[in-house]
Amino acid sequence: EAQVTQNPRYLITVTGKKLTVTCSQNMNHEYMSWYRQDPGLGLRQIYYSMNVEVTDKGDVPEGYKVSRKEKRNFPLILESPSPNQTSLYFCASSQGKGDRVNSPLHFGNGTRLTVT
Amino acid sequence: QQQVKQSPQSLIVQKGGISIINCAYENTAFDYFPWYQQFPGKGPALLIAIRPDVSEKKEGRFTISFNKSAKQFSLHIMDSQPGDSATYFCAASMDSGYSTLTFGKGTMLLVSP
Repeated sequence: EAQVTQNPRYLITVTGKKLTVTCSQNMNHEYMSWYRQDPGLGLRQIYYSMNVEVTDKGDVPEGYKVSRKEKRNFPLILESPSPNQTSLYFCASSQGKGDRVNSPLHFGNGTRLTVT
Repeated sequence: QQQVKQSPQSLIVQKGGISIINCAYENTAFDYFPWYQQFPGKGPALLIAIRPDVSEKKEGRFTISFNKSAKQFSLHIMDSQPGDSATYFCAASMDSGYSTLTFGKGTMLLVSP
C-alpha cells in the first residue's frame, strides 16, 4: 500500500531533550515536506526537500533540522525542543511539489508532540 | 509570504444542507487551487482542485467555484452528510521552480444529523 509513515504517533518529552520524528514513503517520491498544524494557524511548512541532499526552509524553520540522505526518508530533528514546539506534525510527499492535480501531496497520519 | 485567506474558521450545517467555505488570494500568479480534506486522526488528503481557466469544477457533491477577477474561490458541499464532518483546507500554488503549496488556515465543518 502506498503510504507515508511517521513515527511515533504520540510523543511527550521535556524541554531541551533532543528528539527525532521519522518519516518514510514507499512511493519513490522526490518531494517531501514537513508541516506543523496548530489551532487557528492551519498548516505551516517547516522544511521541504526537492530531492536527495536538497533541503530548504519553509515558513517556520526555527528550532528544526532535517536531512535527506535517502529518497524515502526525511526525518525531522528537534535538537533542543521548547514548549512552543508542542504541535501536531505532518510529513508529506509527492512526485512533483504537490502543486498539480496529478501529483498531489500524500500526508502521513501525524505525530502529536508535547514538550513540557 | 503569499497568503491564502480562508473563512469561516468553523461551520455547522444540518444534514442535507449546503456547506460553503470561501478562500481569497492575493498573488495573481497562482494557477492551481486545491482543496484538502482532513478527518480526525488523519492527515489531509486531496479532495478536488481547479485551474483558473475554468470557473467551476464539480465532483459528485463537491464543487469548486472560481472567480478570477475577484481572486476568490469557494468549496460547496451539496446535500452535506455527517460523514463530511472534517477540516477543510484551501491552498494555492504557482508553476515556478521553488514554489510550494500555500495553505489557508482551515475550516472545521460539523454536519449535524
